[in-house]
Amino acid sequence: DGGITQSPKYLFRKEGQNVTLSCEQNLNHDAMYWYRQDPGQGLRLIYYSQIVNDFQKGDIAEGYSVSREKKESFPLTVTSAQKNPTAFYLCASSNVDRAVYNEQFFGPGTRLTVL
Amino acid sequence: AQSVTQPDIHITVSEGASLELRCNYSYGATPYLFWYVQSPGQGLQLLLKYFSGDTLVQGIKGFEAEFKRSQSSFNLRKPSVHWSDAAEYFCAVGATFGNEKLTFGTGTRLTIIP
Repeated sequence: DGGITQSPKYLFRKEGQNVTLSCEQNLNHDAMYWYRQDPGQGLRLIYYSQIVNDFQKGDIAEGYSVSREKKESFPLTVTSAQKNPTAFYLCASSNVDRAVYNEQFFGPGTRLTVL
Repeated sequence: AQSVTQPDIHITVSEGASLELRCNYSYGATPYLFWYVQSPGQGLQLLLKYFSGDTLVQGIKGFEAEFKRSQSSFNLRKPSVHWSDAAEYFCAVGATFGNEKLTFGTGTRLTIIP
């Protein structure tokens, strides 16, 4: 079954601790994305990557970091510098084909709660 | 920069009634438009998309949407809702090929009453 896996589904951390959220895809997509979702605010783009070993900041990158060492993996680290880390985090992936617009496919999400 | 407005935060409709969810976008060129649905605590599922051509697009689960350039709108419709349609719905706009960043609206929560 092709798809996007995010783990864990629920994550609890103490304030001041860094935490890493996992995102893996077996769709052979080149591009991967991280979004943050807060009630009433929709989805906001944190980081995205269109190729291995390269990534760009989205609209709300402060306090977050990412890596893209493998095509299928795009982990997100929420650092202690992120002031309000409690949120629902969604990972997505898409092809990168310059001839067409490539829709994004989403994972099931990770709910992070910082205590 | 593109933006999306979903003016209705919450809509309640009776099962079997028709539905229209509003979406207005702002973008300088031809937009790429999407509607996604999200069940509580889940990821997003694509309902339909508009890239070009026919302005009335059909999606999954009996949904359709109409692109109206003159009104900068892309409203989602369904002629008869089912209890399983209760969810949150997001409209999104994309920019150019090869840079598939999406800008999302704030969402509309749909409640279905018997």
